[in-house]
Amino acid sequence: GNSVTQMEGPVTLSEEAFLTINCTYTATGYPSLFWYVQYPGEGLQLLLKATKADDKGSNKGFEATYRKETTSFHLEKGSVQVSDSAVYFCALSALGTYKYIFGTGTRLKVLA
Amino acid sequence: DVKVTQSSRYLVKRTGEKVFLECVQDMDHENMFWYRQDPGLGLRLIYFSYDVKMKEKGDIPEGYSVSREKKERFSLILESASTNQTSMYLCASRDSGTAYDSNQPQHFGDGTRLSIL
Repeated sequence: GNSVTQMEGPVTLSEEAFLTINCTYTATGYPSLFWYVQYPGEGLQLLLKATKADDKGSNKGFEATYRKETTSFHLEKGSVQVSDSAVYFCALSALGTYKYIFGTGTRLKVLA
Repeated sequence: DVKVTQSSRYLVKRTGEKVFLECVQDMDHENMFWYRQDPGLGLRLIYFSYDVKMKEKGDIPEGYSVSREKKERFSLILESASTNQTSMYLCASRDSGTAYDSNQPQHFGDGTRLSIL
């Protein structure tokens, strides 16, 4: 079946550090891939998406590239800020199903 | 911007009560979803609806039911609340009429933190 695995947190970084949060997936066919962010006390917000192999999604300085050969969609940011502290979820949506598969989330804490 | 509104941010109920969680979206989306979010378990799908009056069970439907009488509103019902249903509940909607538009993202409400005493 379809699944998403993302690195466990928490991840603690200093401001301006480089961020990578790993995400790998298992799916038949060509799913669409998403990163969502959840700030404290809020619901999930779409951060970026990619719908086919080699696509790069980007938003607010975050990037992720859809790598079919390694079935990965790692989230990166060159210089994190305190305001990026949140929980990040990787998700996939496979053709032929309404269901989305979410990873368990990775908590990021950025220290000033 | 898509707006998904959940009727309560915080709710406290007693065991055995019938509990209603309401969700309204303003973008004429066909698909709507109810999840619960628990630490270490991520998001788990309870029920979803792909159109008015249509519903399907998700991964953890036991103890829950849903209602979708109008396109914009999707209600989650806890038939007889129990303490193990204490959780954060998230509603989402998506603009798609079929299962073959997988590139459409889901849009989430701010969640309802439900405590069952």
